[in-house]
Amino acid sequence: DAKTTQPPSMDCAEGRAANLPCNHSTISGNEYVYWYRQIHSQGPQYIIHGLKNNETNEMASLIITEDRKSSTLILPHATLRDTAVYYCIENSGYSTLTFGKGTMLLVSP
Amino acid sequence: NAGVTQTPKFQVLKTGQSMTLQCAQDMNHNSMYWYRQDPGMGLRLIYYSASEGTTDKGEVPNGYNVSRLNKREFSLRLESAAPSQTSVYFCASSAHRRGGSTDTQYFGPGTRLTVL
Repeated sequence: DAKTTQPPSMDCAEGRAANLPCNHSTISGNEYVYWYRQIHSQGPQYIIHGLKNNETNEMASLIITEDRKSSTLILPHATLRDTAVYYCIENSGYSTLTFGKGTMLLVSP
Repeated sequence: NAGVTQTPKFQVLKTGQSMTLQCAQDMNHNSMYWYRQDPGMGLRLIYYSASEGTTDKGEVPNGYNVSRLNKREFSLRLESAAPSQTSVYFCASSAHRRGGSTDTQYFGPGTRLTVL
């Protein structure tokens, strides 16, 4: 079973920032927080990952709390094409991924 | 670079029939994976291959067999299909270098299988 907890669904207006939370209260010291997303009918797509520090790439930003028990994925200017299921996953990098049900993000005009 | 490719895209089988799902990657990745996704659910790992010549069971291996044919190709076989195997099947690959600290998986487009 997935060890992370995410809200089942969220809404966001187009052009606004989408902030997707994730709780990972049992995360181990060597486990990274990974975010993937799955647009309808497609294979999952890697977004970003981090260990302790906040991370940013061309797709998103990842904010990890100091105690590492939770994180937030930020899509700074959501578009309709960002409508997808977003998965937060703990992984040490040496093991297989365990997907939960994720958060269904609906971006509306 | 095609990334991860899967064939076929769609398949309908009758109960008891067999078939093989094909997966290939052109990224020179060491590890490959097979997942299934049922409606409204997250992905569940069926089998994986950490490197050429090795395979290991995942969370839901019953009713499936796999072959890591070479570094590029990883096939999934259903010997006697059952309606419970109706699902979308995704293949993935990752570099998984020894001593590496992180490992991103890249997914194929999926095979939609219906067993009647």
